[in-house]
Amino acid sequence: EAGVVQSPRYKIIEKKQPVAFWCNPISGHNTLYWYLQNLGQGPELLIRYENEEAVDDSQLPKDRFSAERLKGVDSTLKIQPAELGDSAVYLCASSPPDRYNEQFFGPGTRLTVL
Amino acid sequence: SQQGEEDPQALSIQEGENATMNCSYKTSINNLQWYRQNSGRGLVHLILIRSNEREKHSGRLRVTLDTSKKSSSLLITASRAADTASYFCATDGGNKLVFGAGTILRVKS
Repeated sequence: EAGVVQSPRYKIIEKKQPVAFWCNPISGHNTLYWYLQNLGQGPELLIRYENEEAVDDSQLPKDRFSAERLKGVDSTLKIQPAELGDSAVYLCASSPPDRYNEQFFGPGTRLTVL
Repeated sequence: SQQGEEDPQALSIQEGENATMNCSYKTSINNLQWYRQNSGRGLVHLILIRSNEREKHSGRLRVTLDTSKKSSSLLITASRAADTASYFCATDGGNKLVFGAGTILRVKS
């Protein structure tokens, strides 16, 4: 069974540029999560999707961050414009229906903003 | 905000020794989980312990939970170089997980 796929694995951009991350969850997992992980810290939830609905986006900085999961499968997280402080690892995870404790994580995208 | 606080922040041991990491949290929980993260990789689920359980084993892992003290410990016995990683506790926070800052474990061969 394929795991959670994320791309790109690494991204280097200059500040004020836009950037997008893509995630393909495990087949059959209707819940998808985007986490932010700063260096030396644990992941912090940005947004959680149940199918195509964002059910918890309270921690998503909506002035510059946006996310979508149009068909309830793949998801894209976008930052526009990026700031220096956005340098971090962006993790995607998915879980089976009604089993949010069983989260499977992708390898993450390491973003560096110069 | 992160609910769990791991202790120590970093731990260095020799191969074959046991490693113990602690996690303290602030609010009541339904369960607590431990995850491992190898350098440059995503998190891997290790073990889940429910609030009505006090101890749980999985292979070389032993987890304890003390809800009265709001704390948990993860013991890795007979450590191996491959156990070198960061370890995070995560508590359930209403349909989502809240992670601590992690313990960096280095096992020297």
